[in-house]
Amino acid sequence: AQKITQTQPGMFVQEKEAVTLDCTYDTSDPSYGLFWYKQPSSGEMIFLIYQGSYDQQNATEGRYSLNFQKARKSANLVISASQLGDSAMYFCAMREGTYNTGRRALTFGSGTRLQVQP
Amino acid sequence: DSGVTQTPKHLITATGQRVTLRCSPRSGDLSVYWYQQSLDQGLQFLIQYYNGEERAKGNILERFSAQQFPDLHSELNLSSLELGDSALYFCASSVGTGLTEKLFFGSGTQLSVL
Repeated sequence: AQKITQTQPGMFVQEKEAVTLDCTYDTSDPSYGLFWYKQPSSGEMIFLIYQGSYDQQNATEGRYSLNFQKARKSANLVISASQLGDSAMYFCAMREGTYNTGRRALTFGSGTRLQVQP
Repeated sequence: DSGVTQTPKHLITATGQRVTLRCSPRSGDLSVYWYQQSLDQGLQFLIQYYNGEERAKGNILERFSAQQFPDLHSELNLSSLELGDSALYFCASSVGTGLTEKLFFGSGTQLSVL
């Protein structure tokens, strides 16, 4: 079963507008972390933001914020005031924490390609 | 610059051949992860090492193997290569294996099997 689901293969947004990229996850572990990464056309993977399952507040990092709805198992990324440089692939990822504590690889979703239009 | 170094950046080889991809983690990072990114499979976790020991295996084929050396650099060996092995191979590192620790990725090795 898919652990991370990103249902939007592609998204368009106008420059300076906000955009929400969807991510739902599936886990029975009460302790987990959720991550978002950006992959520009150059190929590198860039960390954007982290949300822990026990965090009371939604994470924010500059123009990035995470809309964390634990009961719905969703962790949507919100990018405010989009810029042309935000055009990239965006990946949601999860790390489960309670069991097998030595095994902590991230599981990634299939990604969303965001294109920012001038 | 993430601080994770991968070499080579590009590799072109033929079916049936063997290649070695190299990764130097960030200074101080003990944990190394290998991922494969292809158009049809997305980002797939292959294998994880922590301080020289294998910690977890993902979707790694038996033709593939890896190791982490005492100086903490890691190598991913791919043998009997097939066309379907063409992909971008990432190495990532983190200090440890804590829940909150983010992975720092290298720029990847683009493997083309012809």
